[in-house]
Amino acid sequence: DAGVTQSPTHLIKTRGQQVTLRCSPISGHKSVSWYQQVLGQGPQFIFQYYEKEERGRGNFPDRFSARQFPNYSSELNVNALLLGDSALYLCASSKHTGTGVVYEQYFGPGTRLTVT
Amino acid sequence: GENVEQHPSTLSVQEGDSAVIKCTYSDSASNYFPWYKQELGKRPQLIIDIRSNVGEKKDQRIAVTLNKTAKHFSLHITETQPEDSAVYFCAASTLPGRRALTFGSGTRLQVQP
Repeated sequence: DAGVTQSPTHLIKTRGQQVTLRCSPISGHKSVSWYQQVLGQGPQFIFQYYEKEERGRGNFPDRFSARQFPNYSSELNVNALLLGDSALYLCASSKHTGTGVVYEQYFGPGTRLTVT
Repeated sequence: GENVEQHPSTLSVQEGDSAVIKCTYSDSASNYFPWYKQELGKRPQLIIDIRSNVGEKKDQRIAVTLNKTAKHFSLHITETQPEDSAVYFCAASTLPGRRALTFGSGTRLQVQP
């Protein structure tokens, strides 16, 4: 099976612009989570989606939004970019059947966003 | 919310030695504890995980222990090899409801040949 894929690999944007990042989960996985990883730190949780519904949100401003499509792929949108948004954005997928069992999360390669 | 602390931030060992990385968590409801290995410029890779109903889990040279009373868990790597050099992250996840992972700050492990 193919792993989690993300696009684009790298992106350079200017302050104030908007960006859309994309993620395709592992086949059969219905849950997608987004994380922000600033250089030298651990990933920080932004959103989790399951069956097209938001199931969790981290401590990020409303400039960050996301959605999940019927094929379980997902997009992360960031508006009004700030210099501090420069980071590696990681997508993780998991089975998450909703039965209460935690399934493993597998990460994609990430999108490196640079805001100038 | 959950808070995960990880120590040490850097660890240098000789090839063949053992390495131990420790994490503590704050939320007593946390019940899933994965460990990820991240090589430079690459994605975090799940290397081992443990659930709250067991105290220890092994996979070849890697083992994880969990002490729920003390709210800490540790990663043990035996017979280290140069390819073990990477940044290691611990994480904790709470059920039900919030299924997000809260990560530690990472440990840079360097294995000297």
